[in-house]
Amino acid sequence: KAGVTQTPRYLIKTRGQQVTLSCSPISGHRSVSWYQQTPGQGLQFLFEYFSETQRNKGNFPGRFSGRQFSNSRSEMNVSTLELGDSALYLCASSSNPIWTEETQYFGPGTRLLVL
Amino acid sequence: GNSVTQMEGPVTLSEEAFLTINCTYTATGYPSLFWYVQYPGEGLQLLLKATKADDKGSNKGFEATYRKETTSFHLEKGSVQVSDSAVYFCALRYSPSGSARQLTFGSGTQLTVLP
Repeated sequence: KAGVTQTPRYLIKTRGQQVTLSCSPISGHRSVSWYQQTPGQGLQFLFEYFSETQRNKGNFPGRFSGRQFSNSRSEMNVSTLELGDSALYLCASSSNPIWTEETQYFGPGTRLLVL
Repeated sequence: GNSVTQMEGPVTLSEEAFLTINCTYTATGYPSLFWYVQYPGEGLQLLLKATKADDKGSNKGFEATYRKETTSFHLEKGSVQVSDSAVYFCALRYSPSGSARQLTFGSGTQLTVLP
């Protein structure tokens, strides 16, 4: 079974621009979560989608948004990019987010550099 | 709120040495606990997990026991290899109401194993 895929793997943008990142979960998984990883703040939760609905949201400004499609693929968008948005953005999928023991499987990430 | 505290790194060991990475957590209920590993330039991979008190998770020679009385989930390996060099993250997932909840991560511990 193919793992979680993320595109693009690397991205360079300038301040003020916007960016869209894509995530395809493992086949059959309906939950997708997004995390931001930076050297200073570590791994921080952005949001989670299940059945095309945002179920949970972390403490990030409204410039960060996302959506999920009927095939469970998800996109996240960051508008008006700031230098501090430079990070590795990780997507994780799971089959049933209700159960705490459910494993989240991570993709390789999209590395975003904002200049 | 939920939190995870990990042993500060970096940790440098010689091949075949014994490894312990300490992890303690704070949660108001009964979380599931996870260890993830991140190799350079990659996303996170699940190493092992435990879902209730006294459970022992194990994989690839790594072990961790869920200790509720000390709120700990220390990672151990009897004999490390150069290929174990990576960053290790302790994480918890807790869902008091059954709705979707995110992973809460520790800060990560960089392990370097020298030949």
